[in-house]
Amino acid sequence: TQLLEQSPQFLSIQEGENLTVYCNSSSVFSSLQWYRQEPGEGPVLLVTVVTGGEVKKLKRLTFQFGDARKDSSLHITAAQPGDTGLYLCAGAWYNDMRFGAGTRLTVKP
Amino acid sequence: ETGVTQSPTHLIKTRGQQVTLRCSSQSGHNTVSWYQQALGQGPQFIFQYYREEENGRGNFPPRFSGLQFPNYSSELNVNALELDDSALYLCAGAKADLGYTFGSGTRLTVV
Repeated sequence: TQLLEQSPQFLSIQEGENLTVYCNSSSVFSSLQWYRQEPGEGPVLLVTVVTGGEVKKLKRLTFQFGDARKDSSLHITAAQPGDTGLYLCAGAWYNDMRFGAGTRLTVKP
Repeated sequence: ETGVTQSPTHLIKTRGQQVTLRCSSQSGHNTVSWYQQALGQGPQFIFQYYREEENGRGNFPPRFSGLQFPNYSSELNVNALELDDSALYLCAGAKADLGYTFGSGTRLTVV
């Protein structure tokens, strides 16, 4: 079983739509990170959230860390084809980061 | 350019062989972690090195081993390759709590 559960596993939407993906765990994390990965490349860090209830915005992306620091969400407004990719959440776990299985997002023009 | 370079980019090996994957990290990345990513999955933690010593290990057998060198480079060695070892192997450098910087990975295929 994964330490971090991401949902949905796959998401296919039209350009201009809004979407939210989720990252849930029964464990408490000192910090949580979101990454985006494109085919043939390594994950690229989007944001780190540390404080329970924290909200961070990165252009059209809004990240929220749950009050209990067990879950997080990523909301994308007016999705564009360039947002297509695998979105991974990762939680700080002892001396390392542990990843969820990811949400594969496809945005159709 | 991410600051983390992995080589080779692709590799094909035969079951039972040994393989060494390399990672070169930028100055200041005193922590390096290795991950295995199977197709359609998230990265799975193999192990982490900090100042040239193993600092944590995931659920991987001893035939997965590593080294970290003073010049911030590191190696992942896998002995007695199995078909299930076929995956993308990712190296990530970290400095303090600034998040991980990943290389583009080595795609290993075991036949």
